[in-house]
Amino acid sequence: SHILTQPPSVSVAPGETASITCGAANIELKGVNWYQQKSGQAPAFVIYYDSARPSHVPARFSGSNSGNTATLTISRVEAGDEADYYCQVWNSTSDHPVVFGGGTKLTVL
Amino acid sequence: EVQLVQTGGGLIQPGGSLRLSCAASGFTVGGNYMSWVRQAPGRGLEWVSFISGEGKTAYGDSVKGRFSISRDKSTNTLYLRMNSLRAEDTAVYYCARLYGGDSLLFDYWGQGALVTVSS
Repeated sequence: SHILTQPPSVSVAPGETASITCGAANIELKGVNWYQQKSGQAPAFVIYYDSARPSHVPARFSGSNSGNTATLTISRVEAGDEADYYCQVWNSTSDHPVVFGGGTKLTVL
Repeated sequence: EVQLVQTGGGLIQPGGSLRLSCAASGFTVGGNYMSWVRQAPGRGLEWVSFISGEGKTAYGDSVKGRFSISRDKSTNTLYLRMNSLRAEDTAVYYCARLYGGDSLLFDYWGQGALVTVSS
């Protein structure tokens, strides 16, 4: 089964680019989904299947997945992007098919 | 419009039982994977359980044998029965729909229900 490793925190100034990583062996073989959770709210997906973006999510959000690392990139970061971000994969061959990363707190300085 | 509205939750003593409900609208729970995810205070997301469209169920190791997921197609409602509750089960519990093809994602979430296990 996958263990998804995320950095506990990432800090970035407004207008800069934030990169949040999600690491696991051969994660490129899995479709990685990303969720944003603002304080006191339920999570919401912002990227799915590595790099697809739902229509309601700004184009500043993008995703990639290669080798052992998937990455969520947020360009031109805004104060409203401050949140916890979680990666997730579905491992259909496992008894525990849903795996979440530990989460990354994005702080906008 | 797709909605998941949760009820239940509250303060329960260790060893007690509780049932959470999640009423769905805009789609059928019987035709989709449905899941419960929890979040302990100050912690990350933890998958708890899912039920497939065919009725197959699965549970995380920390709740297996104590929690039971079910659904009522007639009322389009998902349930989580929690028995033998422990302090470490204290968390906000979310219901969510799992959607997709080869790789499933949580595309709709309930508002969450706080379960506090304490004497």
